[in-house]
Amino acid sequence: GENVEQHPSTLSVQEGDSAVIKCTYSDSASNYFPWYKQELGKGPQLIIDIRSNVGEKKDQRIAVTLNKTAKHFSLHITETQPEDSAVYFCAKGGWGKLQFGAGTQVVVTP
Amino acid sequence: GAVVSQHPSRVICKSGTSVKIECRSLDFQATTMFWYRQFPKQSLMLMATSNEGSKATYEQGVEKDKFLINHASLTLSTLTVTSAHPEDSSFYICSARDSGSGGTYEQYFGPGTRLTVT
Repeated sequence: GENVEQHPSTLSVQEGDSAVIKCTYSDSASNYFPWYKQELGKGPQLIIDIRSNVGEKKDQRIAVTLNKTAKHFSLHITETQPEDSAVYFCAKGGWGKLQFGAGTQVVVTP
Repeated sequence: GAVVSQHPSRVICKSGTSVKIECRSLDFQATTMFWYRQFPKQSLMLMATSNEGSKATYEQGVEKDKFLINHASLTLSTLTVTSAHPEDSSFYICSARDSGSGGTYEQYFGPGTRLTVT
């Protein structure tokens, strides 16, 4: 199973509202934390990532925050749009392999 | 940039036959590629790490003689599912790390291959 706990498993939001997904982990070695968006029948797409020497990173409507002391990181999507509907996966790793969370099904309703 | 392709996108094969899936990095070189399997409504499960010019490293529980991996060039890795059975039906996804970016962690994923074994 995953070594990354991801919550919630499903998230329904009204268009224009914000969505937040949180992941927690337990090891101290991981220093790279990417987020992927996967649409049905497609491969995952890297949407944002953060390294352990940074606490927050933002790219337009998407932001990621990392609390390395507490070992959790979160994805924030603001002003959600219907095209944001997808499954989102967090992951952790470094030079080696990535370990993925279980995924969050996000549904944005107009 | 950072485009990864997979071929075929869908394949149906009969039980007992073998099928090969190709993963290509189109605009960068990748000394390391990864092969994942994803069952419906589940997360990605790493099967193996493919290293150019050397043997692949398989995850625990993945049969190396059943899932043959060949990473013969800096832009191509192949996964061959040998003697396929219906339980091998799944979505197979590869990813590649850009080895020319001076130290990047990013993995870029292909579009996936849907394998159905009848």
